[in-house]
Amino acid sequence: EAGVAQSPRYKIIEKRQSVAFWCNPISGHATLYWYQQILGQGPKLLIQFQNNGVVDDSQLPKDRFSAERLKGVDSTLKIQPAKLEDSAVYLCASSFLAGGPGELFFGEGSRLTVL
Amino acid sequence: DQQVKQNSPSLSVQEGRISILNCDYTNSMFDYFLWYKKYPAEGPTFLISISSIKDKNEDGRFTVFLNKSAKHLSLHIVPSQPGDSAVYFCAASAPGANNLFFGTGTRLTVIP
Repeated sequence: EAGVAQSPRYKIIEKRQSVAFWCNPISGHATLYWYQQILGQGPKLLIQFQNNGVVDDSQLPKDRFSAERLKGVDSTLKIQPAKLEDSAVYLCASSFLAGGPGELFFGEGSRLTVL
Repeated sequence: DQQVKQNSPSLSVQEGRISILNCDYTNSMFDYFLWYKKYPAEGPTFLISISSIKDKNEDGRFTVFLNKSAKHLSLHIVPSQPGDSAVYFCAASAPGANNLFFGTGTRLTVIP
């Protein structure tokens, strides 16, 4: 079974530039999550999708971050314009369960460095 | 507001000995707890979980203990192996909640 795929693995940009991350969850998983992990901290939820609808985006800085999940499969997370404090690993995860997190399967992450 | 806390950023253990990783939580609504293991440049991978109706769950060398009154859980690894060297995250969720709350992680080093 293929795992959660993410790209790019690494990205370096200057502040005020834009960046986009892509995620392909495990086939059949209805729920998709984007987490932000800043160095030395645990992952923090940015947004959760169930199929192609948003379940929770309360922690997403909507002035600069946006995310979509078209057709209930792939998802894209965009940051525009980036700030220095956005430097982090962006983890995509998926879950089979629709009603709660259960066990999340994570991708390898996309490491963003903002200079 | 850190609802899940791992107060030990690092732990070193000799190979063959027991590793004990600790986790505390503040939200009494949490009813499901998980441990994830993370190697460098990889995403976290699920290790073991426990529901609040239990106080112990065992899977091979890994055992998780839950003390609801103390809002504390621990992960025991016996015997510890060098391949267990990784960062371990504790996570928790509440009934009907949408996501997991993670601790800050504990880096375990198992010395051969």
